[in-house]
Amino acid sequence: DARVTQTPRHKVTEMGQEVTMRCQPILGHNTVFWYRQTMMQGLELLAYFRNRAPLDDSGMPKDRFSAEMPDATLATLKIQPSEPRDSAVYFCASGIAGVGEQYFGPGTRLTVT
Amino acid sequence: GEDVEQSLFLSVREGDSSVINCTYTDSSSTYLYWYKQEPGAGLQLLTYIFSNMDMKQDQRLTVLLNKKDKHLSLRIADTQTGDSAIYFCAEREGSGAGSYQLTFGKGTKLSVIP
Repeated sequence: DARVTQTPRHKVTEMGQEVTMRCQPILGHNTVFWYRQTMMQGLELLAYFRNRAPLDDSGMPKDRFSAEMPDATLATLKIQPSEPRDSAVYFCASGIAGVGEQYFGPGTRLTVT
Repeated sequence: GEDVEQSLFLSVREGDSSVINCTYTDSSSTYLYWYKQEPGAGLQLLTYIFSNMDMKQDQRLTVLLNKKDKHLSLRIADTQTGDSAIYFCAEREGSGAGSYQLTFGKGTKLSVIP
């Protein structure tokens, strides 16, 4: 049963600390997406990759957020320094270019105090 | 820009049919999707419809697409308490293999009353 995995599932940190979230896409998928979900804004696209290359990260605050794919089995989203307004659930999703469906991971619930 | 609108809440009795509605603005949308999110979980793809189709049925789920009015609906027959969740409508922007982004609505919370 192929699934997108994300670690950690929960993270509580203090303002100013660095946060790293990890995602393992489904094997064979060549697109990876990072989303942020909050009650107020709903689901926002932060960045996405195709074949490990970033295609669009316009939804991401560039001064503190960075997204990378060191290899085809790992995507990372870093926040440095973190702020209370970054508190949200962060989802990773993967898919196959051209088909369109995206398969979501269980999310990382981030709380910044 | 593209926008997807959904009503925020829907309440139905167990055994009744649920109809969740969605409107979108991008006339070039090629695929439209329905996702389900249960508490504490990620979004689960339920079904999708290609823009040249009017209807798609999959067991208890029926998707209707009115492309002229840019209106999409999801009908759940014989709604069960396990169907209680948030349902997201999403559209795929543009056309062709070069477009991958989905625009999501804010979700409709379906509550099923036993």
